Amino acid sequence: QLHLVQSGAEVKKPGSSVTVSCKASGGTFGTYGITWVRQAPGQGLEWMGGIIPVFRTAKYAQRFQDRVTITADESTTTAYMELRSLMSDDTAVYYCARSDYGDYADHFYDMDVWGQGTTVTVSS
Amino acid sequence: ELTQPPSVSVSPGQTASITCSGDNLRKKSVSWYQQKPGQSPVLVISHDAKRPSGIPERFSGSTSGNTATLTISGTQPVDESDYYCQAWASHSAVVFGGGTKLTVL
Repeated sequence: QLHLVQSGAEVKKPGSSVTVSCKASGGTFGTYGITWVRQAPGQGLEWMGGIIPVFRTAKYAQRFQDRVTITADESTTTAYMELRSLMSDDTAVYYCARSDYGDYADHFYDMDVWGQGTTVTVSS
Repeated sequence: ELTQPPSVSVSPGQTASITCSGDNLRKKSVSWYQQKPGQSPVLVISHDAKRPSGIPERFSGSTSGNTATLTISGTQPVDESDYYCQAWASHSAVVFGGGTKLTVL
């Protein structure tokens, strides 16, 4: 049974960067996708991007394209999400989730295992 | 964009239906997630309208035209949660609906 454990809460200054890690254990890592989803206080789910570790290719939501980098290290079964140029609007809970992906790796679906979430607070 | 009603109310034991509409949904598969306050989302209906292991039989999913529907038969108070549909679009590998708050009165 795959289990995803994320890094701890972060408090950041506007303009800085944050990296959240997502450590997988107990199951297959590389052949599934790992997606990153965030949820601002009182808001819905927002997809940021995803990666298929075995292909080492990442896809990003258009609104984060210039500010986010998602990577995965198969040797440590850990995925990472770096968000740069932080603004107060980036205050949110950030989740990683295992997902299936389409035949051409052009989309993700069925996020069936989720991390516990990482709270990132951006404040001066 | 995927459009969901902001809220749905149902009496215990009755059937709750949560819709999700979007362009070309008939050509895509829709996943459904349940999220309780302070918790991570849980997949309740997979893209092929199946229930993952551990999800009660009262949850089901269907698609007709450009609308997908999550149906909860015999709704229980424990089902009170936020529900999100998810698909994809030509411009994005993942799209979420805005979420529906299900209240069991």
